[in-house]
Amino acid sequence: QKEVEQNSGPLSVPEGAIASLNCTYSDRGSQSFFWYRQYSGKSPELIMFIYSNGDKEDGRFTAQLNKASQYVSLLIRDSQPSDSATYLCAVSGGTSYGKLTFGQGTILTVHP
Amino acid sequence: ETGVTQTPRHLVMGMTNKKSLKCEQHLGHNAMYWYKQSAKKPLELMFVYSLEERVENNSVPSRFSPECPNSSHLFLHLHTLQPEDSALYLCASSRSHRVEETQYFGPGTRLLVL
Repeated sequence: QKEVEQNSGPLSVPEGAIASLNCTYSDRGSQSFFWYRQYSGKSPELIMFIYSNGDKEDGRFTAQLNKASQYVSLLIRDSQPSDSATYLCAVSGGTSYGKLTFGQGTILTVHP
Repeated sequence: ETGVTQTPRHLVMGMTNKKSLKCEQHLGHNAMYWYKQSAKKPLELMFVYSLEERVENNSVPSRFSPECPNSSHLFLHLHTLQPEDSALYLCASSRSHRVEETQYFGPGTRLLVL
């Protein structure tokens, strides 16, 4: 079983729609959860982090965490073509203190 | 210059060459990391340094040798690499190596081993 799983996509949504990106993790002791965005040929950049169960909103982005279900998601409202990128879910803590474990990433395409 | 910088940005080397990758962070952070990103595979953590001491070595072959002379600089020394080592090598830094700290990535070095 992969430690951090994401649907590789590609996920295609029309401009203005809500994009929903999902991630599950295997280490129940994980404590910190991050979403990074990576444009083609570029390095990952942090979008959001979340530590507590529930929702966390930042502009058009909302991260949702459910530790009981070992599930974290990222919602992008009013999707724009510039949001087209690979979104990486990363998990830290639990049995790997200080180690950030990444999922394979979900490719998102927002078409006009 | 701000953030995390890496040099060179691109590197082509033969299997018998020795080269080094350099990372520098201008964020005042105490932890630095090396990651490998291969096509269609998740980012893989290679090494973690905290206050110039290695705290994690993620079963990396000895042909990769890290060096952290101070909290702002991190090197990855390469020797007798294999073609399968071709990948994007990313450096990152964070305030500490605690689980809640955000890691900030450099632009990466794209390595091709012939």
